[in-house]
Amino acid sequence: DIQMTQSPSLLSASVGDRVTLSCKASQNIYKYLNWYQQKLGEAPKLLIYYTNSLQTGIPSRFSGSGSGTDYTLTISSLQPEDVATYFCQQYNSWLTFGSGTKLEIK
Amino acid sequence: QIQLVQSGPELKKPGESVKISCKASGYTFTDYAMNWVKQAPGNGLKWMGWINTQTGKPTYADDFKQRFVFSLETSASTAYLQINNLNIEDTATYFCTRYYTGGFDYWGQGVMVTVSS
Repeated sequence: DIQMTQSPSLLSASVGDRVTLSCKASQNIYKYLNWYQQKLGEAPKLLIYYTNSLQTGIPSRFSGSGSGTDYTLTISSLQPEDVATYFCQQYNSWLTFGSGTKLEIK
Repeated sequence: QIQLVQSGPELKKPGESVKISCKASGYTFTDYAMNWVKQAPGNGLKWMGWINTQTGKPTYADDFKQRFVFSLETSASTAYLQINNLNIEDTATYFCTRYYTGGFDYWGQGVMVTVSS
């Protein structure tokens, strides 16, 4: 099974900051990587698919990058409504989620 | 608009069974696979598997090959998750989610299943 490791587990940042979340796969996943945002008490929401494609309706401050085993979600200017837990998910071999990064406002 | 509407919360005793529904609307039900995802309290997301909505064939992730059953009522655009012989570790929120080109683009609101004696 492919393991997905996210870091950090908790991130505190200020409004307007550029924020970077990391996701590392246990083997090459060939960019088959999605990112989800989950706000408290809600279902997850797809933000980014296939490493860097922005899902319809998602603000352009969200972007994704990466290749091989290392992937990144970037929020260019953190907004209060971005407080949430962010999960990566690989679909190169079956499907696996990372353990999540909880993002809060400092 | 596209919606996945799940059934309500459940409180069960160990050893009992539960059947959760997920009704789809706003799209052709058989055009997209339906997946199930488990989220234990305070925990992350765990993919349980999926069901082919055209053939009804289920595929289970390794940890969900026993006691878990995916099924369909295609005429009602509804998918079901049944969990048999419930135990405490099954206490979680269960989401149905539509699969599209590798990602889950629409989600149900989730069903909280509590298993307690």
